[in-house]
Amino acid sequence: DTEVTQTPKHLVMGMTNKKSLKCEQHMGHRAMYWYKQKAKKPPELMFVYSYEKLSINESVPSRFSPECPNSSLLNLHLHALQPEDSALYLCASSRIGNLGDEQYFGPGTRLTVT
Amino acid sequence: AQSVTQLDSQVPVFEEAPVELRCNYSSSVSVYLFWYVQYPNQGLQLLLKYLSGSTLVKGINGFEAEFNKSQTSFHLRKPSVHISDTAEYFCAVTLQDAGNNRKLIWGLGTSLAVNP
Repeated sequence: DTEVTQTPKHLVMGMTNKKSLKCEQHMGHRAMYWYKQKAKKPPELMFVYSYEKLSINESVPSRFSPECPNSSLLNLHLHALQPEDSALYLCASSRIGNLGDEQYFGPGTRLTVT
Repeated sequence: AQSVTQLDSQVPVFEEAPVELRCNYSSSVSVYLFWYVQYPNQGLQLLLKYLSGSTLVKGINGFEAEFNKSQTSFHLRKPSVHISDTAEYFCAVTLQDAGNNRKLIWGLGTSLAVNP
């Protein structure tokens, strides 16, 4: 199974809502990533978890809060977002987290903040 | 500053024609090079990667790329494209600085449009 799954596919939330994005992989990978992607732009790395520990935080605002409950699951908790946070949020995983391995991406969650 | 440059933002091409998508990276201790493809409304998929060894790398869907260390390039090629190759293509390079810190840098992407 070389699939990374993400739920939900689409999410519309108001600026005062709290919601969570979920990501799951069953490839035995020990690194998982969150990216934000605006239309026609490359993905922007947000967070990297390696062996279930946060190893990279690319200066992401605190209204985004990642969580890695176990090696297969990755969540992104959202609170008090701004309209400019509307984007495609991609989860990825790789065998290890040294940025040298290919990453397997999920289909993404398209987030709209109203 | 570390950078990855995809020289063409858009490449229109006719079906069955050859195509080359260009990627250059800043001179540094390059470590690993990747090409990813993103079809409309989907996530990214790895096309091919260069880690070491032969500089000509073959990937999925008939794509190949050549690593040229002296020109710091990693251009993607396909001898005959199909309509289904229409997508966004991203070059990504893991660069390592003098302090052995690694960073994965993405190019801005090239939009390939294959016309009948």
